Amino acid sequence: EDKVVQSPLSLVVHEGDTVTLNCSYEVTNFRSLLWYKQEKKAPTFLFMLTSSGIEKKSGRLSSILDKKELFSILNITATQTGDSAVYLCAVEEFTNAGKSTFGDGTTLTVKP
Amino acid sequence: GAVVSQHPSWVICKSGTSVKIECRSLDFQATTMFWYRQFPKQSLMLMATSNEGSKATYEQGVEKDKFLINHASLTLSTLTVTSAHPEDSSFYICSASLRAGETDTQYFGPGTRLTVL
Repeated sequence: EDKVVQSPLSLVVHEGDTVTLNCSYEVTNFRSLLWYKQEKKAPTFLFMLTSSGIEKKSGRLSSILDKKELFSILNITATQTGDSAVYLCAVEEFTNAGKSTFGDGTTLTVKP
Repeated sequence: GAVVSQHPSWVICKSGTSVKIECRSLDFQATTMFWYRQFPKQSLMLMATSNEGSKATYEQGVEKDKFLINHASLTLSTLTVTSAHPEDSSFYICSASLRAGETDTQYFGPGTRLTVL
């Protein structure tokens, strides 16, 4: 059975701190790993990772994938209160038009 | 581009009634749509994969007779929660798959909050 495990489950930091969120997976037909940010409603897309070792960056957020060790990390530098959200990791399969298995998410709280 | 809408955004109903939720891809055709359920403080759980013109594929543990899915066109899938009970109260999210070359990208709808009294 496909499995995606995120850690930590929750994290409380202060503005300006740097955080690292982890995602490990066991999926039979891995195609890509995706990171989402979920605030009050549906998730919003952050990154899609398909290749090992290539960092993707968007502003203060960056992410990298290790396909040998089957994990990914999401880094957020200089955190702001607006970064408070649930961060979801999902793994897409090659089959089934991109069917995704989601992890339980990491709840990040950034205090002023 | 690639916008997915859901209707309604929230619904309150009495126990025993049926509720229909629509998921539309507004500016693209989606041969595949996915339905997820999310309970408070939990992650998204895939309920079913819906392919246009064919029967939906349900995940283990999801009752197909209770959660009826119809994907009649390339831009519309509906989820009907039949004989709803309070334990069906949840946040239901759909996503539509957009194919570009060999890549499928999922775009999420804004979700529907269902409360069953």
